[in-house]
Amino acid sequence: GAVVSQHPSWVICKSGTSVKIECRSLDFQATTMFWYRQFPKQSLMLMATSNEGSKATYEQGVEKDKFLINHASLTLSTLTVTSAHPEDSSFYICSARVGDNEQFFGPGTRLTVL
Amino acid sequence: LAKTTQPISMDSYEGQEVNITCSHNNIATNDYITWYQQFPSQGPRFIIQGYKTKVTNEVASLFIPADRKSSTLSLPRVSLSDTAVYYCLVGRYNNNDMRFGAGTRLTVKP
Repeated sequence: GAVVSQHPSWVICKSGTSVKIECRSLDFQATTMFWYRQFPKQSLMLMATSNEGSKATYEQGVEKDKFLINHASLTLSTLTVTSAHPEDSSFYICSARVGDNEQFFGPGTRLTVL
Repeated sequence: LAKTTQPISMDSYEGQEVNITCSHNNIATNDYITWYQQFPSQGPRFIIQGYKTKVTNEVASLFIPADRKSSTLSLPRVSLSDTAVYYCLVGRYNNNDMRFGAGTRLTVKP
């Protein structure tokens, strides 16, 4: 199946700093990518849908100015957590859509904000 | 899209067949069903997808009754490494709404 990578796999940062997470589709082009957040022992929560060349669509309750999403090419979407705080510590997962109904997930990025 | 309901947890033993049922009463005509497996600190991994009747691949089978209001993931002869959370998703062709339900935490015991 298609491969999606994320970088970094984990990051630790100080409160108030910004962190950028990259999501790449390695062997296919993805017009649509998704960003999820997962807290311990909970399910994945959809944060936003990212479409190449246009603004991301954010889910209700997700601050677009805090979670900046850029989908500049068909193989790369980035999520920037701005002014991160300890409550933003979570497991961030991206996925990429292939065709009409296939979705492949990245390995996730563990963010810890001190 | 249709909301999904799954058992929160299930226990099984090595070598047994495990069936996890997902309810999706409000599934629409052009919706399909996908199951994912997730291990701790990893992204979900695709298991199987179907629209109706039965689908089988090298790791699982998916049974979907005629009314499509539920689906059952069948894992034959589970092993300890099948301990994971299993998610059922209802998706729609060309629709970007991909939301996860609570999932089923399967624990396989020796």
